[in-house]
Amino acid sequence: AQKITQTQPGMFVQEKEAVTLDCTYDTSDQSYGLFWYKQPSSGEMIFLIYQGSYDEQNATEGRYSLNFQKARKSANLVISASQLGDSAMYFCAMREGPGNYGQNFVFGPGTRLSVLP
Amino acid sequence: GAGVSQSPRYKVTKRGQDVALRCDPISGHVSLYWYRQALGQGPEFLTYFNYEAQQDKSGLPNDRFSAERPEGSISTLTIQRTEQRDSAMYRCASSLNTISGANVLTFGAGSRLTVL
Repeated sequence: AQKITQTQPGMFVQEKEAVTLDCTYDTSDQSYGLFWYKQPSSGEMIFLIYQGSYDEQNATEGRYSLNFQKARKSANLVISASQLGDSAMYFCAMREGPGNYGQNFVFGPGTRLSVLP
Repeated sequence: GAGVSQSPRYKVTKRGQDVALRCDPISGHVSLYWYRQALGQGPEFLTYFNYEAQQDKSGLPNDRFSAERPEGSISTLTIQRTEQRDSAMYRCASSLNTISGANVLTFGAGSRLTVL
Protein backbone atom coordinates (compact mmCIF):
# COMPACT_ATOMS: atom_id res chain seq x y z
CA ALA A 1 0.00 0.00 0.00
CA GLN A 2 1.15 3.51 -0.78
CA LYS A 3 2.26 5.35 2.31
CA ILE A 4 2.23 8.78 0.64
CA THR A 5 -0.41 9.82 -1.86
CA GLN A 6 -0.25 12.93 -3.99
CA THR A 7 -3.35 12.96 -6.16
CA GLN A 8 -2.42 15.93 -8.35
CA PRO A 9 0.10 14.93 -11.03
CA GLY A 10 0.15 18.50 -12.33
CA MET A 11 -1.08 21.89 -11.17
CA PHE A 12 -1.19 25.33 -12.72
CA VAL A 13 -1.32 28.59 -10.82
CA GLN A 14 -1.22 32.21 -11.86
CA GLU A 15 1.73 34.23 -10.66
CA LYS A 16 1.08 35.98 -7.31
CA GLU A 17 -1.79 33.66 -6.43
CA ALA A 18 -1.77 30.99 -3.71
CA VAL A 19 -1.79 27.28 -4.46
CA THR A 20 -2.36 24.16 -2.35
CA LEU A 21 -0.61 20.88 -3.11
CA ASP A 22 -2.29 17.86 -1.59
CA CYS A 23 -0.65 15.07 0.39
CA THR A 24 -2.20 12.25 2.38
CA TYR A 25 -0.23 9.67 4.30
CA ASP A 26 -0.73 6.32 5.94
CA THR A 27 0.94 5.25 9.16
CA SER A 28 0.08 3.51 12.41
CA ASP A 29 2.96 5.18 14.27
CA GLN A 30 2.18 7.92 16.79
CA SER A 31 5.51 9.64 16.21
CA TYR A 32 6.36 10.63 12.67
CA GLY A 33 7.49 13.57 10.59
CA LEU A 34 6.20 15.05 7.40
CA PHE A 35 8.35 16.88 4.89
CA TRP A 36 8.02 18.72 1.61
CA TYR A 37 10.80 18.92 -0.93
CA LYS A 38 11.08 20.92 -4.14
CA GLN A 39 12.87 19.60 -7.19
CA PRO A 40 13.44 22.18 -9.94
CA SER A 41 14.44 21.20 -13.44
CA SER A 42 18.08 21.30 -12.34
CA GLY A 43 17.38 18.10 -10.39
CA GLU A 44 18.48 19.09 -6.91
CA MET A 45 16.27 18.19 -3.95
CA ILE A 46 15.52 21.24 -1.80
CA PHE A 47 13.97 20.88 1.65
CA LEU A 48 11.07 23.29 2.18
CA ILE A 49 9.19 22.58 5.39
CA TYR A 50 8.74 20.07 8.21
CA GLN A 51 5.84 19.12 10.49
CA GLY A 52 6.20 16.80 13.45
CA SER A 53 3.26 14.63 14.40
CA TYR A 54 3.16 16.14 17.90
CA ASP A 55 3.41 19.74 16.71
CA GLU A 56 0.19 21.54 17.53
CA GLN A 57 0.80 24.50 15.27
CA ASN A 58 0.96 24.28 11.51
CA ALA A 59 4.51 24.79 10.26
CA THR A 60 5.36 27.92 8.30
CA GLU A 61 8.53 28.91 6.45
CA GLY A 62 8.29 32.18 4.59
CA ARG A 63 5.79 31.74 1.75
CA TYR A 64 5.36 28.05 2.58
CA SER A 65 2.93 26.70 5.13
CA LEU A 66 1.80 23.20 5.91
CA ASN A 67 -1.88 22.55 6.52
CA PHE A 68 -1.64 19.61 8.92
CA GLN A 69 -4.86 17.73 9.63
CA LYS A 70 -3.84 14.79 11.77
CA ALA A 71 -7.19 13.06 12.00
CA ARG A 72 -7.53 13.12 8.22
CA LYS A 73 -3.85 12.18 7.77
CA SER A 74 -3.24 15.02 5.41
CA ALA A 75 -0.33 17.43 5.14
CA ASN A 76 -1.04 19.85 2.33
CA LEU A 77 1.55 22.40 1.24
CA VAL A 78 0.33 25.94 0.71
CA ILE A 79 2.47 28.32 -1.34
CA SER A 80 1.39 31.93 -1.08
CA ALA A 81 2.12 34.61 -3.67
CA SER A 82 3.44 32.19 -6.28
CA GLN A 83 6.52 33.17 -8.23
CA LEU A 84 7.78 31.94 -11.59
CA GLY A 85 10.68 30.29 -9.77
CA ASP A 86 8.22 28.07 -7.90
CA SER A 87 7.69 26.01 -11.05
CA ALA A 88 9.06 22.58 -10.11
CA MET A 89 8.19 19.10 -8.90
CA TYR A 90 7.06 18.97 -5.27
CA PHE A 91 7.39 15.84 -3.17
CA CYS A 92 5.71 15.02 0.11
CA ALA A 93 7.65 12.64 2.35
CA MET A 94 7.17 10.90 5.69
CA ARG A 95 9.55 9.61 8.31
CA GLU A 96 7.95 7.02 10.54
CA GLY A 97 9.16 6.95 14.13
CA PRO A 98 11.16 9.53 16.08
CA GLY A 99 13.91 11.18 14.10
CA ASN A 100 16.72 10.26 16.44
CA TYR A 101 16.38 6.58 15.53
CA GLY A 102 16.95 7.27 11.86
CA GLN A 103 13.85 5.69 10.50
CA ASN A 104 12.99 5.20 6.88
CA PHE A 105 11.82 8.10 4.75
CA VAL A 106 9.27 7.44 2.02
CA PHE A 107 8.35 9.85 -0.75
CA GLY A 108 5.20 10.43 -2.71
CA PRO A 109 4.98 10.43 -6.53
CA GLY A 110 5.12 14.21 -6.71
CA THR A 111 3.11 17.09 -8.14
CA ARG A 112 4.45 19.19 -11.00
CA LEU A 113 3.59 22.84 -10.39
CA SER A 114 3.66 25.32 -13.24
CA VAL A 115 3.39 29.03 -12.44
CA LEU A 116 1.92 31.09 -15.26
CA PRO A 117 2.97 34.71 -15.85
CA GLY B 1 32.35 17.70 3.89
CA ALA B 2 30.05 20.63 3.41
CA GLY B 3 27.47 18.65 1.49
CA VAL B 4 26.64 15.14 0.36
CA SER B 5 29.02 14.15 -2.41
CA GLN B 6 28.26 11.46 -4.96
CA SER B 7 30.49 9.97 -7.62
CA PRO B 8 30.50 9.43 -10.46
CA ARG B 9 27.96 12.03 -11.52
CA TYR B 10 27.42 10.17 -14.77
CA LYS B 11 28.10 6.55 -15.56
CA VAL B 12 27.50 4.83 -18.88
CA THR B 13 28.05 1.11 -18.90
CA LYS B 14 27.27 -1.89 -21.02
CA ARG B 15 24.71 -4.46 -20.04
CA GLY B 16 26.26 -7.15 -17.87
CA GLN B 17 28.94 -4.97 -16.33
CA ASP B 18 29.16 -4.23 -12.60
CA VAL B 19 28.97 -0.64 -11.34
CA ALA B 20 29.79 0.93 -8.00
CA LEU B 21 28.29 4.24 -6.94
CA ARG B 22 29.84 6.13 -4.08
CA CYS B 23 28.33 8.45 -1.49
CA ASP B 24 30.24 10.64 0.96
CA PRO B 25 27.72 12.04 3.48
CA ILE B 26 27.93 15.21 5.51
CA SER B 27 30.51 14.76 8.25
CA GLY B 28 28.91 13.52 11.45
CA HIS B 29 25.64 12.47 9.87
CA VAL B 30 24.49 9.22 11.40
CA SER B 31 22.02 7.99 8.80
CA LEU B 32 22.65 7.44 5.12
CA TYR B 33 19.97 6.63 2.56
CA TRP B 34 19.97 5.40 -1.03
CA TYR B 35 17.13 6.16 -3.42
CA ARG B 36 16.49 5.53 -7.08
CA GLN B 37 14.57 8.10 -9.08
CA ALA B 38 13.12 7.66 -12.54
CA LEU B 39 12.40 10.75 -14.62
CA GLY B 40 9.25 12.52 -13.47
CA GLN B 41 8.74 10.23 -10.48
CA GLY B 42 9.41 10.38 -6.77
CA PRO B 43 12.50 8.93 -5.11
CA GLU B 44 12.11 5.20 -4.56
CA PHE B 45 13.64 3.93 -1.32
CA LEU B 46 16.39 1.34 -1.70
CA THR B 47 18.16 1.01 1.65
CA TYR B 48 19.46 2.94 4.63
CA PHE B 49 22.14 2.76 7.29
CA ASN B 50 22.56 4.02 10.82
CA TYR B 51 26.30 4.28 11.32
CA GLU B 52 27.67 1.13 9.66
CA ALA B 53 24.57 -1.00 10.26
CA GLN B 54 22.21 -1.55 7.37
CA GLN B 55 18.80 -1.04 8.96
CA ASP B 56 16.49 -1.74 6.06
CA LYS B 57 17.26 -3.14 2.63
CA SER B 58 13.72 -4.00 1.68
CA GLY B 59 13.78 -1.59 -1.24
CA LEU B 60 16.65 -3.22 -3.07
CA PRO B 61 15.02 -4.62 -6.24
CA ASN B 62 16.86 -7.95 -6.35
CA ASP B 63 20.08 -9.62 -5.26
CA ARG B 64 22.11 -7.85 -7.94
CA PHE B 65 21.90 -4.74 -5.76
CA SER B 66 23.91 -4.39 -2.57
CA ALA B 67 25.17 -1.58 -0.37
CA GLU B 68 27.70 -1.17 2.36
CA ARG B 69 28.96 1.47 4.75
CA PRO B 70 31.81 -0.31 6.47
CA GLU B 71 33.15 2.51 8.62
CA GLY B 72 29.94 4.40 9.16
CA SER B 73 30.83 7.16 6.75
CA ILE B 74 31.26 6.59 3.00
CA SER B 75 28.82 4.19 1.38
CA THR B 76 28.93 2.24 -1.86
CA LEU B 77 25.93 0.99 -3.81
CA THR B 78 26.92 -1.86 -6.12
CA ILE B 79 24.89 -3.17 -9.01
CA GLN B 80 26.11 -6.43 -10.49
CA ARG B 81 25.40 -7.62 -14.03
CA THR B 82 23.63 -4.40 -14.93
CA GLU B 83 20.50 -4.45 -17.06
CA GLN B 84 18.91 -1.67 -19.11
CA ARG B 85 16.09 -1.36 -16.57
CA ASP B 86 18.67 -0.29 -13.97
CA SER B 87 19.12 3.01 -15.82
CA ALA B 88 18.06 5.79 -13.46
CA MET B 89 19.29 8.56 -11.17
CA TYR B 90 20.65 7.10 -7.94
CA ARG B 91 20.48 9.54 -5.06
CA CYS B 92 22.15 9.44 -1.69
CA ALA B 93 20.99 11.43 1.33
CA SER B 94 22.13 11.77 4.91
CA SER B 95 20.71 13.06 8.18
CA LEU B 96 22.11 13.96 11.57
CA ASN B 97 19.58 12.31 13.91
CA THR B 98 19.38 14.47 16.97
CA ILE B 99 16.96 13.74 19.77
CA SER B 100 14.96 16.83 18.93
CA GLY B 101 14.48 18.47 15.59
CA ALA B 102 13.36 17.53 12.16
CA ASN B 103 16.43 15.55 11.10
CA VAL B 104 15.99 16.62 7.52
CA LEU B 105 17.43 14.55 4.70
CA THR B 106 20.13 16.36 2.75
CA PHE B 107 20.53 15.00 -0.74
CA GLY B 108 23.51 14.69 -3.00
CA ALA B 109 23.41 15.66 -6.66
CA GLY B 110 22.93 12.05 -7.69
CA SER B 111 24.65 9.57 -10.00
CA ARG B 112 22.97 9.12 -13.36
CA LEU B 113 23.41 5.57 -14.57
CA THR B 114 22.81 4.62 -18.18
CA VAL B 115 23.01 0.97 -19.16
CA LEU B 116 23.37 0.38 -22.88
